[in-house]
Amino acid sequence: AQKITQTQPGMFVQEKEAVTLDCTYDTSDQSYGLFWYKQPSSGEMIFLIYQGSYDEQNATEGRYSLNFQKARKSANLVISASQLGDSAMYFCAMREGRGGSNYKLTFGKGTLLTVNP
Amino acid sequence: NAGVTQTPKFQVLKTGQSMTLQCAQDMNHEYMSWYRQDPGMGLRLIHYSVGAGITDQGEVPNGYNVSRSTTEDFPLRLLSAAPSQTSVYFCASSPPRGSALTFGAGSRLTVL
Repeated sequence: AQKITQTQPGMFVQEKEAVTLDCTYDTSDQSYGLFWYKQPSSGEMIFLIYQGSYDEQNATEGRYSLNFQKARKSANLVISASQLGDSAMYFCAMREGRGGSNYKLTFGKGTLLTVNP
Repeated sequence: NAGVTQTPKFQVLKTGQSMTLQCAQDMNHEYMSWYRQDPGMGLRLIHYSVGAGITDQGEVPNGYNVSRSTTEDFPLRLLSAAPSQTSVYFCASSPPRGSALTFGAGSRLTVL
């Protein structure tokens, strides 16, 4: 069974609109962390946002927010006011267990976001 | 700061050849790891290290060796390349707690 599921292979959004990228996860650990990374066409991996399983507030970083629904095991990324530069592949990833050992991540297959002018 | 530096950026090998992908970081991070990215598969962990002299296997370790003699360097060795190892390889590092992984720019390997 997949530990990280991203059900949207591709998404389209109009510039300046908001978009939600879905991510569901599967773990039996009580302590875990969820990450979103952006991979533009140039290929580098860019960290966007992090949510810990014990964090009570949804994480926000500028135009990025993470809609964390623990009971549903979902960690959706919301991008507000989309820009052309947001066109990229987006990966959801999970770290299981305690200790902040964020080197050992499980990644989803990604969602390719295209922002239209 | 250079961050995480990977070399080479591109490499073409013939089946059976050996090579080493180099990874160096200048952030004094204890943790380093190697991932491979294949189309439609996301990133998968190959090997990781929690400090000099300590390495362990990830999800897809077969066909790869690693060593960690210094904090800065974490090379990935392919002893006998196979076409199934055609992929983009990412090295990443992080401090022990809190921060997310910092990735290198990636190395695209093609095995013919």
